Amino acid sequence: SQQGEEDPQALSIQEGENATMNCSYKTSINNLQWYRQNSGRGLVHLILIRSNEREKHSGRLRVTLDTSKKSSSLLITASRAADTASYFCATDGWNSGYSTLTFGKGTMLLVSP
Amino acid sequence: DAGVTQSPTHLIKTRGQQVTLRCSPKSGHDTVSWYQQALGQGPQFIFQYYEEEERQRGNFPDRFSGHQFPNYSSELNVNALLLGDSALYLCASSLSPTGMNTEAFFGQGTRLTVV
Repeated sequence: SQQGEEDPQALSIQEGENATMNCSYKTSINNLQWYRQNSGRGLVHLILIRSNEREKHSGRLRVTLDTSKKSSSLLITASRAADTASYFCATDGWNSGYSTLTFGKGTMLLVSP
Repeated sequence: DAGVTQSPTHLIKTRGQQVTLRCSPKSGHDTVSWYQQALGQGPQFIFQYYEEEERQRGNFPDRFSGHQFPNYSSELNVNALLLGDSALYLCASSLSPTGMNTEAFFGQGTRLTVV
């Protein structure tokens, strides 16, 4: 079953603009991770934010986490055409001593030159 | 350093057949997880292997089985294939699952088409 729900399902912007994607989840988590997927191939890990963190940065990426609202957001600043991909949030619930990821359905981002 | 490698990249099978997919984890990783990703969906957790044992399992029927070898590589087997098994199968490796906040590294996946 899907844990996270990304919003929007699809996002189309121009190069140089910022892209914001949101993720909501249902159960308690140990961390939340964001992944990128190009053209239905493998997933690339972008950033991990722990449950006791509220904000994290990595290059042009900014992730926030609000555990009281069970939500997270991914901001990509100054988007490039190469950022075109699907973006997934995944929650790590640390089930029975083992770390497993539960993914949302993803946001498809299209960045036009 | 080779990352996670999966083979084959593409596969076409007939309904009722059996298939085996293979995964070699990233160097130094001892935990392998398998995911199924249907078109337009997010990956769904199938199962996880650590120390050659299945440690966690998602909501998948017994037709899905796996194995982990002493060198940490892993296989996913699917018996009695159904059209609905057509999907991208992803393998992810990570360090020992006893550590929290562990980043998972994914392979490029195997695209399985059942006809």
